[in-house]
Amino acid sequence: DADVTQTPRNRITKTGKRIMLECSQTKGHDRMYWYRQDPGLGLQLIYYSFDVKDINKGEISDGYSVSRQAQAKFSLSLESAIPNQTALYFCATSSREGWGPQHFGDGTRLSIL
Amino acid sequence: EDQVTQSPEALRLQEGESSSLNCSYTVSGLRGLFWYRQDPGKGPEFLFTLYSAGEEKEKERLKATLTKKESFLHITAPKPEDSATYLCAVQARSGGYQKVTFGIGTKLQVIP
Repeated sequence: DADVTQTPRNRITKTGKRIMLECSQTKGHDRMYWYRQDPGLGLQLIYYSFDVKDINKGEISDGYSVSRQAQAKFSLSLESAIPNQTALYFCATSSREGWGPQHFGDGTRLSIL
Repeated sequence: EDQVTQSPEALRLQEGESSSLNCSYTVSGLRGLFWYRQDPGKGPEFLFTLYSAGEEKEKERLKATLTKKESFLHITAPKPEDSATYLCAVQARSGGYQKVTFGIGTKLQVIP
């Protein structure tokens, strides 16, 4: 089984819908991250959490929200999806010692029509 | 603003033809530089961490090196299974907090 599991793997939805992407991990790491990846751009940090009670905005948090339900679970929500949020979304984890190395899930491909 | 630039954007090699990928960075307060490999449809997979200029790390046909301004990922006698996109990321301290900045990547294709 994968150490970092993202669900769903693919999602097509319509503008204005609320969407939740889920991430769970079995690595026992405290730190979890959400990134988006667009063609021609590097991975961009949306939100990160260093423990269950600690949530921080990344560089592109507008239009997104997160929930850290437990050490192993970190969800990303798009409250009202818009087409320019179409992207590949990755969840990652790292140990307490620092931001990296990070361990990534296999991503959710999200298309908003 | 922290910047990470990878070159070339794409590289096509014959099997056995050694080459290097470049990652140049402009950051203040470098805390670490990471190399990842990303296969199509997969998340990035960690390869190496380098912390200080002069440091080198090796794994099979890959060797990563670090200077004060750039890092190289040397690929010796590559095989088709080395085909992937290689990402560089820099962890730096800025304004009292740390952040990681990723490059766009180099897409490597190794032809049999």
